[in-house]
Amino acid sequence: SQQGEEDPQALSIQEGENATMNCSYKTSINNLQWYRQNSGRGLVHLILIRSNEREKHSGRLRVTLDTSKKSSSLLITASRAADTASYFCAGSNAGKSTFGDGTTLTVKP
Amino acid sequence: DADVTQTPRNRITKTGKRIMLECSQTKGHDRMYWYRQDPGLGLRLIYYSFDVKDINKGEISDGYSVSRQAQAKFSLSLESAIPNQTALYFCATSDARTGSHEKLFFGSGTQLSVL
Repeated sequence: SQQGEEDPQALSIQEGENATMNCSYKTSINNLQWYRQNSGRGLVHLILIRSNEREKHSGRLRVTLDTSKKSSSLLITASRAADTASYFCAGSNAGKSTFGDGTTLTVKP
Repeated sequence: DADVTQTPRNRITKTGKRIMLECSQTKGHDRMYWYRQDPGLGLRLIYYSFDVKDINKGEISDGYSVSRQAQAKFSLSLESAIPNQTALYFCATSDARTGSHEKLFFGSGTQLSVL
């Protein structure tokens, strides 16, 4: 079964708005990662947050991790049309990563 | 640029045929993975290999086999393809020498259709 569930499944916003995606996971993890996938292409790593971290920033990305609730969120600020893609969380343990089903983000110009 | 290359990009085959998907990498990474993605879903792990002599089953290994021919090459075989193996297949690598060894680098994928 999948490690994580992502919410919402689909999100549509206007350019310039912020986008927030949530991920819940089931088992213990060493870290949690977020990936981006443009339609039908390979996934690209965005950011990794370790289990002992609560928040991490990278450019317009902000990730939080709550291990007590087994949940994470990805915030993309000041979104652009080029941010349109699917976003996946992946919980990692013992060198293996298990992916959620993803959130499809559409940013309208 | 160092890369993860999958061949073929697309393949159509018939039920019962044997098929091999290939993956090669120039990143010098020791770890390699095979995932499949079904429409609208996330990736599920089929097999993974932490070095040439190490092969491990993932979440959905039934109906698949792998071969790690060299550090840079990891192939996935479907011995007798069936229609529910129609999916997008991804190879990925990671580097155990770094502090972020779970960070995966993906190939562009192979779209497999089994008729």
